[in-house]
Amino acid sequence: NAGVTQTPKFRVLKTGQSMTLLCAQDMNHEYMYWYRQDPGMGLRLIHYSVGEGTTAKGEVPDGYNVSRLKKQNFLLGLESAAPSQTSVYFCASSYAGGSYEQYFGPGTRLTVT
Amino acid sequence: ILNVEQSPQSLHVQEGDSTNFTCSFPSSNFYALHWYRWETAKSPEALFVMTLNGDEKKKGRISATLNTKEGYSYLYIKGSQPEDSATYLCASLGVARQLTFGSGTQLTVLP
Repeated sequence: NAGVTQTPKFRVLKTGQSMTLLCAQDMNHEYMYWYRQDPGMGLRLIHYSVGEGTTAKGEVPDGYNVSRLKKQNFLLGLESAAPSQTSVYFCASSYAGGSYEQYFGPGTRLTVT
Repeated sequence: ILNVEQSPQSLHVQEGDSTNFTCSFPSSNFYALHWYRWETAKSPEALFVMTLNGDEKKKGRISATLNTKEGYSYLYIKGSQPEDSATYLCASLGVARQLTFGSGTQLTVLP
């Protein structure tokens, strides 16, 4: 099992460019999440999904969109990147129910210049 | 949005010392408390998930306690080793099933 994977690992964008981050999990988890991690601020939830075809906003959703067309994939899109979106992005997944223990991907380091 | 606070922000201890960290969270709207261990250049990994007031969990030299009535959890490390160096995150799971993370305690164990 690969667990949770993220592509790409690193990316540099110019202000105004767009990109999509891909998260994939092979654990048949219902729930998937996108977080951003900034120094001194811990992990903040951007968007999450409780099942295929459903998405919901988290704590910091502005400037991002997501889609969950397949159960195993959760895409995070930046339509017009801004320097404030420079961050490390983590995807996670969990079962629906029980402890909701989250399994994290390796992260994507994004720099917007 | 729940406010989860962790203290201290960072900690340096000598190998062999025992140490503990604190996580405080709003006791209303509570479903579960998670602890994660996050090593540099890796992803966070779950250590404990606790739900009931008075819960105590143990994994080797690491243990955790939970007080849901007053809204705090302690993580203890007995006889710290250099490989325990990591950031320890706590997160509160609310009834909406979203995790709210604290900013973490960064532990460095000096040999």
